[in-house]
Amino acid sequence: DTAVSQTPKYLVTQMGNDKSIKCEQNLGHDTMYWYKQDSKKFLKIMFSYNNKELIINETVPNRFSPKSPDKAHLNLHINSLELGDSAVYFCASSWPGGGYGYTFGSGTRLTVV
Amino acid sequence: RKEVEQDPGPFNVPEGATVAFNCTYSNSASQSFFWYRQDCRKEPKLLMSVYSSGNEDGRFTAQLNRASQYISLLIRDSKLSDSATYLCVVNGATGANNLFFGTGTRLTVIP
Repeated sequence: DTAVSQTPKYLVTQMGNDKSIKCEQNLGHDTMYWYKQDSKKFLKIMFSYNNKELIINETVPNRFSPKSPDKAHLNLHINSLELGDSAVYFCASSWPGGGYGYTFGSGTRLTVV
Repeated sequence: RKEVEQDPGPFNVPEGATVAFNCTYSNSASQSFFWYRQDCRKEPKLLMSVYSSGNEDGRFTAQLNRASQYISLLIRDSKLSDSATYLCVVNGATGANNLFFGTGTRLTVIP
C-alpha cells in the first residue's frame, strides 16, 4: 500500500483555470505538508497542517488554498492558474516536529499552458 | 542567506570511488538533520538521519559539526545505483514542523 498518495500525477491545464490536487496518507502521521519544487529543483515549503490545523503558511499567493478535512488528508486548490505555477508539487507527512523525517508522495507535475 | 547551502555539483565518479558531499546550515537552533536522495522525476526519499556523534549505514557515513554548522555525507565503493541527487535537509528549530531542503548535489557514477 502506498504510504502517501497524491492525485493526479500529471496535470496540464490552461491559464486562468482552477484545479485541485489531493493527498492522503495511511501512516497515522499527525502532520502533513505541501512543498513546491521548481524548475531549478529547489524544494520549498508552502503549507503545513498538524491534525487539521494550519501551522505554517509561507508567503504563497492566496490563489493557493489548502484544505484538511481530517489528519489523513490534505488537499491543495489553486485558483486562476498562472504560467509561473508550473512545477512539481509534493505532499508529505510526518510525526509532529518532523524529527524522524518526512515521507513524500510521488508528486504532481503541474504544467500551465 | 539560504537556510541550507550545498554544492550543486555535478559529481561524476567512477564505480568504486569514494565521494563526499558537504552542506552548511544557517540556523544554530536546528536540531534535526537528514540526507535525502531524489532520483530523476521521483520524490525525495529519506537516506539517513544525521546524529551528533556521526553515524554509518553500510557504505554511507554522515557527520555533523554543530560548531561549524556543517553536515557531510560520505559514500564509499560507489555503485551505479547511487546515481541520484542528494539533498541536505535541516529543520527550522526545535519542534518546528518545517524542514528546509538544500538545492541538492547531483551524483553520477560512471561504469
